[in-house]
Amino acid sequence: KNQVEQSPQSLIILEGKNCTLQCNYTVSPFSNLRWYKQDTGRGPVSLTIMTFSENTKSNGRYTATLDADTKQSSLHITASQLSDSASYICVVSARETSYDKVIFGPGTSLSVIP
Amino acid sequence: EPEVTQTPSHQVTQMGQEVILRCVPISNHLYFYWYRQILGQKVEFLVSFYNNEISEKSEIFDDQFSVERPDGSNFTLKIRSTKLEDSAMYFCASSDPSETTTGELFFGEGSRLTVL
Repeated sequence: KNQVEQSPQSLIILEGKNCTLQCNYTVSPFSNLRWYKQDTGRGPVSLTIMTFSENTKSNGRYTATLDADTKQSSLHITASQLSDSASYICVVSARETSYDKVIFGPGTSLSVIP
Repeated sequence: EPEVTQTPSHQVTQMGQEVILRCVPISNHLYFYWYRQILGQKVEFLVSFYNNEISEKSEIFDDQFSVERPDGSNFTLKIRSTKLEDSAMYFCASSDPSETTTGELFFGEGSRLTVL
């Protein structure tokens, strides 16, 4: 069964600190993995997207890694800011015949406090 | 920057009433989706739409739901007879067919539906 799990469920960190969010998936056949940031009451916004051959991708203070062998991904946030407080969602796509079937993880709720 | 727009941003309705949520996808995108998110829960897939027909739907998308692309720009989700459990944030998304290998989804800001 295609599934995406994330940990931790929630996280509280001090402003300026780093943190790492985890994503494990059982999705086949794998097409790509994306991390989205969702502010409360807003639509998800894409942070990074990685295909099978990519191990790491950065977007400013966000760095995502992908280990396709162990089916794990992480999102590392450097020098956190108050505006980083949001839900971070790991989304994995399985390749269907002509389009991708998208499976959402439950998200990690991050709170950055002063 | 092009974006997916949704209306209304918030709708309150009585149980049993019909609701239509509207979306304007990014203009050159050809794949369209509806997702919903019940408060405090994960985003759930409802339906995908391509070439004027449903390409996939989830078990949530029962006979009470329908989608339509009435013209070249709008993509609508209709709930025929709303139930209390339909209260959720509904997100529209679209993707560019030239990027199906990456499948990047662009989401709207959502329509919050409250059923009383």
